[in-house]
Amino acid sequence: KNQVEQSPQSLIILEGKNCTLQCNYTVSPFSNLRWYKQDTGRGPVSLTIMTFSENTKSNGRYTATLDADTKQSSLHITASQLSDSASYICVVSPFGGGYNKLIFGAGTRLAVHP
Amino acid sequence: DAGVIQSPRHEVTEMGQEVTLRCKPISGHNSLFWYRQTMMRGLELLIYFNNNVPIDDSGMPEDRFSAKMPNASFSTLKIQPSEPRDSAVYFCASSNTGTSSETQYFGPGTRLLVL
Repeated sequence: KNQVEQSPQSLIILEGKNCTLQCNYTVSPFSNLRWYKQDTGRGPVSLTIMTFSENTKSNGRYTATLDADTKQSSLHITASQLSDSASYICVVSPFGGGYNKLIFGAGTRLAVHP
Repeated sequence: DAGVIQSPRHEVTEMGQEVTLRCKPISGHNSLFWYRQTMMRGLELLIYFNNNVPIDDSGMPEDRFSAKMPNASFSTLKIQPSEPRDSAVYFCASSNTGTSSETQYFGPGTRLLVL
């Protein structure tokens, strides 16, 4: 069964520190992998999208990596800010599948404290 | 651009009542998506449209749910009759052409509570 699992479920860090969120998937083959940021009470906002042939993609202080061999992706946040407090959702799109085949992770809830 | 617009932002209703959620996609986008988000199940795609035509509604939970897109700038998601288990946040999203590699832009969501 195609699955996307994220860890940790929740994380608390101090402002200015770095952190890494993990996404493991069993979807194979897959077309692309996305990371979304969702602030409380808001809709998800796309951070990065990577195809199966890409290893890394950056968006400001956010850097996503992808290892298609081990089926793992990570989202690294550098020099965290209070505004990084949000849920981060990993989404995998199976190869040849339409939007109805998207597999969503449960998300990691990040809290950045001053 | 104002982004994806959803209304109402909050809805509280009683079991058995009809609920209609509304969405205005970003101007020029050809694809529109309806999602549901709950703590238990996370984000789930309910249905998506391309050029106003429903492409796949396999995510719609049951016949009580229906969605329409009468024109390129408006869509509705209707629940009739509503049940407490329908309580969730419903998001509408739109994208330019609808390919799976394209970014979707989400609205702020409608928080539905069915008592």
